[in-house]
Amino acid sequence: AQKITQTQPGMFVQEKEAVTLDCTYDTSDQSYGLFWYKQPSSGEMIFLIYQGSYDEQNATEGRYSLNFQKARKSANLVISASQLGDSAMYFCAMREGRNSGTYKYIFGTGTRLKVLA
Amino acid sequence: DVKVTQSSRYLVKRTGEKVFLECVQDMDHENMFWYRQDPGLGLRLIYFSYDVKMKEKGDIPEGYSVSREKKERFSLILESASTNQTSMYLCASIEGGEVGNTEAFFGQGTRLTVV
Repeated sequence: AQKITQTQPGMFVQEKEAVTLDCTYDTSDQSYGLFWYKQPSSGEMIFLIYQGSYDEQNATEGRYSLNFQKARKSANLVISASQLGDSAMYFCAMREGRNSGTYKYIFGTGTRLKVLA
Repeated sequence: DVKVTQSSRYLVKRTGEKVFLECVQDMDHENMFWYRQDPGLGLRLIYFSYDVKMKEKGDIPEGYSVSREKKERFSLILESASTNQTSMYLCASIEGGEVGNTEAFFGQGTRLTVV
């Protein structure tokens, strides 16, 4: 069964430094998408970045990049030059393709990031 | 501006009551999802729907049912509310088709307290 695992409940990072948030996934499907979302204390869910299972290059969006290692089934989020506004909960998510017979969209347990001044 | 709207931001219900949580999206999306969010457990999928009148169980469907009579509306029903269903409930919608960059659009959430 498909599953997303985030093993870091909480992380601290110094302002202006880079931080890596871990995500591993499990799926038997060949076609899937991996996503990261940010949830600030206000509660809204903000889409950050997407990586397709067939994409050869790692996705990047501004200060966010996704370190995709398909053989290891990992999709870690890297935030460069951390800012105080990056303090939030971060969720890794996966959507499977047609072969699974369904289009489930599942999330991990999240990592709470705190950026220190 | 795309929108997913949940009918209530806060709700307090009594144990045993039948509770309806409504979600409406204006993006003509085929897929809609209901999650509950609890500290330390992340977002857990309750039910989802990929078409009108079609539904599939998620990972924690027990105690819940859903209804999708119209494309834009997806309702979550707690048949007989219990205190362990106290939680934040999030609705999301995603456009249909093959897996791709299908960002999920979320409602503002409903914080349900069952007393």
